[in-house]
Amino acid sequence: SQTIHQWPATLVQPVGSPLSLECTVEGTSNPNLYWYRQAAGRGLQLLFYSVGIGQISSEVPQNLSASRPQDRQFILSSKKLLLSDSGFYLCAWSDSYNSPLHFGNGTRLTVT
Amino acid sequence: KQEVTQIPAALSVPEGENLVLNCSFTDSAIYNLQWFRQDPGKGLTSLLLIQSSQREQTSGRLNASLDKSSGRSTLYIAASQPGDSATYLCAVNGGSQGNLIFGKGTKLSVKP
Repeated sequence: SQTIHQWPATLVQPVGSPLSLECTVEGTSNPNLYWYRQAAGRGLQLLFYSVGIGQISSEVPQNLSASRPQDRQFILSSKKLLLSDSGFYLCAWSDSYNSPLHFGNGTRLTVT
Repeated sequence: KQEVTQIPAALSVPEGENLVLNCSFTDSAIYNLQWFRQDPGKGLTSLLLIQSSQREQTSGRLNASLDKSSGRSTLYIAASQPGDSATYLCAVNGGSQGNLIFGKGTKLSVKP
């Protein structure tokens, strides 16, 4: 069966520090991968998606970047965090555009 | 631009009651619609996916319907239980990359 791992679960970082969140999927190959952010009182916002290794599409301009160094690995990064980067970050995968989307347990990021 | 609205934002019902959650979207050109459940501090769990050509999908006590022409979907929960307490989100997929547009959710509380 397929599983998705996302870590860390919580993170407190000072403003200006770098960020690296990692997500891996097991039990499938060539999945579509997604990074979403959920801010308090707001809906889920799609940040990045990837349909293959090295293929990254960004939905919104921001302080973050994403990379997909391996088929089932998706990384969210920042060189310098802003206060506004605080939120709940969720990684997700699907087999195709017409398949259910499966989420990891999320990372709660607090920038202080 | 696709917009997804869920009403009500919160709902409290006694245990055993049947209930309906509503979701509306502005652009009827969708590939599919998904319903998710989110427990506090957790990721989202996929409940049901309805393809654009389908009218409804059922899973256990859950039944989701889709009226694409009117831009509406409902999630019917039969014989509600306290364990059903969570936030329920709907999301529409209007693109071939599987990028979902989410509503803000309905927070359901089922009282024992």
